[in-house]
Amino acid sequence: EVQLVESGGGLVQPGGSLRLSCAASGFTFSSYSINWVRQAPGKGLEWVSYISSSSSTIYYADSVKGRFTISRDNAKNSLFLQMNSLRAEDTAVYYCAKDPFGVGATSFDYWGQGTLVTVSS
Amino acid sequence: QSVLTQPPSASGTPGQRVTISCSGGSSNIGSNTVNWFQQLPGTAPKLLIYSNDQRPSGVPDRFSGSKSGNTASLTISGLQAEDEADYYCAAWGDSLSGYVFGTGTKVTVL
Repeated sequence: EVQLVESGGGLVQPGGSLRLSCAASGFTFSSYSINWVRQAPGKGLEWVSYISSSSSTIYYADSVKGRFTISRDNAKNSLFLQMNSLRAEDTAVYYCAKDPFGVGATSFDYWGQGTLVTVSS
Repeated sequence: QSVLTQPPSASGTPGQRVTISCSGGSSNIGSNTVNWFQQLPGTAPKLLIYSNDQRPSGVPDRFSGSKSGNTASLTISGLQAEDEADYYCAAWGDSLSGYVFGTGTKVTVL
């Protein structure tokens, strides 16, 4: 059974940092691209970042470019999101999502349960 | 800011057909495949349609997708109470915009 489990969310002050993790199981993690998607309270879905299976291709949404860094450790079946210079507008539930196809045909066939990040003083 | 436009709401009685539109541009829907996601209250989104019109295993065949030019559509044929949820279209944009989601449509079963 495919499972994605996010962790690392919490309350952080504006300007602070947080590192999210996504532990994967039930599939060959090293063969698939993975994405981060977020959803602010009561709002719609927003794509955050993409990383290819080998980490050779990485993309970010303009809203997080220069502040967030996506990475992965295929040996540990884990995905990460380092979030720096956090702002109130980064408050959201953050999901990791498996991509079966990759750039151009990107889709998300499995999602984690999400982890809540709250940026507030 | 979403670049794919959906109607904010849609509704129907049980058994009716409901269609949700998703309007984009040549750099996203016009160039790449479209996916649809269903999000029930308090849960993570679920893939409903991928590659414009393909249903993942386990998705009822009352859900169907189509694409023409820069517009995509999701149709629910035979609306059921458990279909009450938020629905999002999505597609890859380009290397600058990345992956883009629609504005979302809340479907209500009357």
